[in-house]
This record gives sequence, structure tokens and C-alpha cells, in this order.
Amino acid sequence: RKEVEQDPGPFNVPEGATVAFNCTYSNSASQSFFWYRQDCRKEPKLLMSVYSSGNEDGRFTAQLNRASQYISLLIRDSKLSDSATYLCVPRNQGGKLIFGQGTELSVKP
Amino acid sequence: NAGVTQTPKFRVLKTGQSMTLLCAQDMNHEYMYWYRQDPGMGLRLIHYSVGEGTTAKGEVPDGYNVSRLKKQNFLLGLESAAPSQTSVYFCASTPPDLTGELFFGEGSRLTVL
Repeated sequence: RKEVEQDPGPFNVPEGATVAFNCTYSNSASQSFFWYRQDCRKEPKLLMSVYSSGNEDGRFTAQLNRASQYISLLIRDSKLSDSATYLCVPRNQGGKLIFGQGTELSVKP
Repeated sequence: NAGVTQTPKFRVLKTGQSMTLLCAQDMNHEYMYWYRQDPGMGLRLIHYSVGEGTTAKGEVPDGYNVSRLKKQNFLLGLESAAPSQTSVYFCASTPPDLTGELFFGEGSRLTVL
């Protein structure tokens, strides 16, 4: 089993839709979690961080389920500009940071 | 603020040549990372360092060597480049704090012919 798994997609959704993707992790010692956004293989940019059960920032909500070892990212009212690849990475004490494969989102007019 | 700087940004090599990618950060971060990214794939960890003078293997370390002689610099070396090493390479740094985010360089596009 991979340490971090994401559905690569693509998720094709119309503008205004709500879309959610999951990221499962195998290391139960993971303590914090990050969602990054990446455009066209440019450098990833931090979207959200999650330290407890969840976090919300405008149209974006991240939820953590420690029992099932996954984090989710919910995007409401999708915009064309949300089209990107979304990467998750759990973090633990050891310093080794393994990313998921990324989930591609395409928002259509 | 410069943040994380990678040099060079583009390079074309012939099979068997060697080269070094330099990553420099000015944020006094303890941890530094080298990733590679191939089309349709996420970031794969090559090597990482949790402090000056220390390095560790990541997911795909074969064919690469690294050094962290100074806290601010993390070097990635290819001793004998192969076409399979054609990729985009990203360097990143972060403090040891578990809430710290990763800061990325702009990437280095390497082509091996």
C-alpha cells in the first residue's frame, strides 16, 4: 500500500458545482496535514493546513478522519480558476514528507 | 525575500554527463527536500535532510547523491545522467515545527538526451 493515496482523477465539474476529494494515509503517527495546489507543473502552493478535525477557508473545507486515516478537501461553488492539481501531504515527527499522486480538477464553463 | 532558489532552472545533458542542482534557502529552515515530478505523477521524494551535515533517502534515491554542508544549501548531484532522469526537480524547505508548511523553489527542468 502506498503511504499516501489520492484518486488522480480527472474530476470534470461545471462551474458552481461542489466537489470533494480524499487523501488516505498509512502512517498513523501523522499529526498534521497539508493540501497544496499545483498549476501546470509549477511549484506547489499551500492551500490549507489541518491540525485537528478540520479547517475552513472561504469555499474550501478540509476534514480529517483519524480513525479511517484520510483527509478530504471540499470545494464549494467551483470557479474556473480552481482548475489545478491538488496534492496532499501528511506530516509526522520524522521529517520525511511523502506526497500523494495528486488529484486533477477541471472546472468547465 | 528570495525564499527558496534553485539553480539552474533549465539544463540539457547528454547521457553519462554529471551535474549538480543547487537549492538555497534564506529562511533558516532545518529541513530541506529534493523531489522529482514526471508527467501525470505527483512529487516523488528523492532525498531529504533534517539538518546541516545529515541526509536521508527518500522514495526514489537511486542515481542521485546529495550534500548539506551548509544549513542554507542542499545540493543534488547526478553522477552519470540517464534519460530516465529527465524530469522537473523541486526543492523545498520547512522548519521542524509540525505546523510548518513547505516552501518550494520554482523548479529545475532537466532533459537528458
